[in-house]
Amino acid sequence: GQNIDQPTEMTATEGAIVQINCTYQTSGFNGLFWYQQHAGEAPTFLSYNVLDGLEEKGRFSSFLSRSKGYSYLLLKELQMKDSASYLCAVRDNVYGQNFVFGPGTRLSVLP
Amino acid sequence: EADIYQTPRYLVIGTGKKITLECSQTMGHDKMYWYQQDPGMELHLIHYSYGVNSTEKGDLSSESTVSRIRTEHFPLTLESARPSHTSQYLCASSEPTTGQETQYFGPGTRLLVL
Repeated sequence: GQNIDQPTEMTATEGAIVQINCTYQTSGFNGLFWYQQHAGEAPTFLSYNVLDGLEEKGRFSSFLSRSKGYSYLLLKELQMKDSASYLCAVRDNVYGQNFVFGPGTRLSVLP
Repeated sequence: EADIYQTPRYLVIGTGKKITLECSQTMGHDKMYWYQQDPGMELHLIHYSYGVNSTEKGDLSSESTVSRIRTEHFPLTLESARPSHTSQYLCASSEPTTGQETQYFGPGTRLLVL
């Protein structure tokens, strides 16, 4: 089966750091992706991990542990515009190299 | 900057009507996808295509059909719209030959069936 879990909602304060966790169980694994989706808009790509470790891209970092089926997205120096849903997705090489999406974590950044 | 387009952006239509949602991309990507997403809910894959003349059903049962006659074009058709089809439909594309193969999403079509 395929299952991706994320917290439903999180709240943080402007300027703070927040970590959004994602655990996955999929038939196959060929990369983990994080997307940002503002309300009413399409998802936009944030980061990609295929090997264990941390990938850093500006204020955003993503970590992967394949043995634990675990990833997190770290957002630093939070800004109001970071209020959005964050989607964790796994590309499953057993499932036709398609993407399996988690339910998304709705992040609210408060002043 | 992704070049993937969807039309219409918003559509309100009566039950029983036939509708086609258009999706086009100018990136030359072979793989294209259609997702359905209800507000605040996860994306569900309803159709995908590996290239011209290739169409596959996704993990969510859908009464829609798709076609892929040209690389850049992947329309989705509902033969008879019903209120249960009310949702947001997102088209995406990716290029499997690159290592990263991220998906690029179109802006979406919000469909309301009365």
